[in-house]
Amino acid sequence: DQQVKQNSPSLSVQEGRISILNCDYTNSMFDYFLWYKKYPAEGPTFLISISSIKDKNEDGRFTVFLNKSAKHLSLHIVPSQPGDSAVYFCAARAESNQFYFGTGTSLTVIP
Amino acid sequence: GAVVSQHPSWVICKSGTSVKIECRSLDFQATTMFWYRQFPKQSLMLMATSNEGSKATYEQGVEKDKFLINHASLTLSTLTVTSAHPEDSSFYICSPYRPGVNEQFFGPGTRLTVL
Repeated sequence: DQQVKQNSPSLSVQEGRISILNCDYTNSMFDYFLWYKKYPAEGPTFLISISSIKDKNEDGRFTVFLNKSAKHLSLHIVPSQPGDSAVYFCAARAESNQFYFGTGTSLTVIP
Repeated sequence: GAVVSQHPSWVICKSGTSVKIECRSLDFQATTMFWYRQFPKQSLMLMATSNEGSKATYEQGVEKDKFLINHASLTLSTLTVTSAHPEDSSFYICSPYRPGVNEQFFGPGTRLTVL
């Protein structure tokens, strides 16, 4: 049972435009959400996070939005850069400190 | 961020052999270690959770006798894939839990290829 879902396996965006990556979850008990960036054959690297008590967190070009009622979060990257091309995973933390990951969205930023 | 190392980064072995993967948290003591596996074009899937000095808890569908986890110290955990088969070929990633920190850090991963 996939508790965290990323329904778009891939996304292509022109350089300089906004990239929006979406993530949905089913467990209302998740208390912390994170986005990770992953290159092939490397471990995930932390990008940005948000607590369940907030609805927005911004860090430079990256902003994460959380809509608890819809159980939906999104990552906005603006402006997108070619170096942002990677696979992005959203993750949600359960009470056990276990993290559940989405299936990932492969972002390609076209120069 | 925390420094987590894994060794080896890539290993190729023959079917039937055993492979040991080491994970070290270099700048903090990890009371809990999570081991994940990622197959191509799939998400990271939790395999097992281990607490220092006690037996690991395995997720459903993960064979505990095949994937031996040892968490003998607060800075080192090992995953041994016993009698590896081609279907075990995957990307294995460790993730030590750092108390009091919301972010979860990951090792760089180990790519296992079983011929």
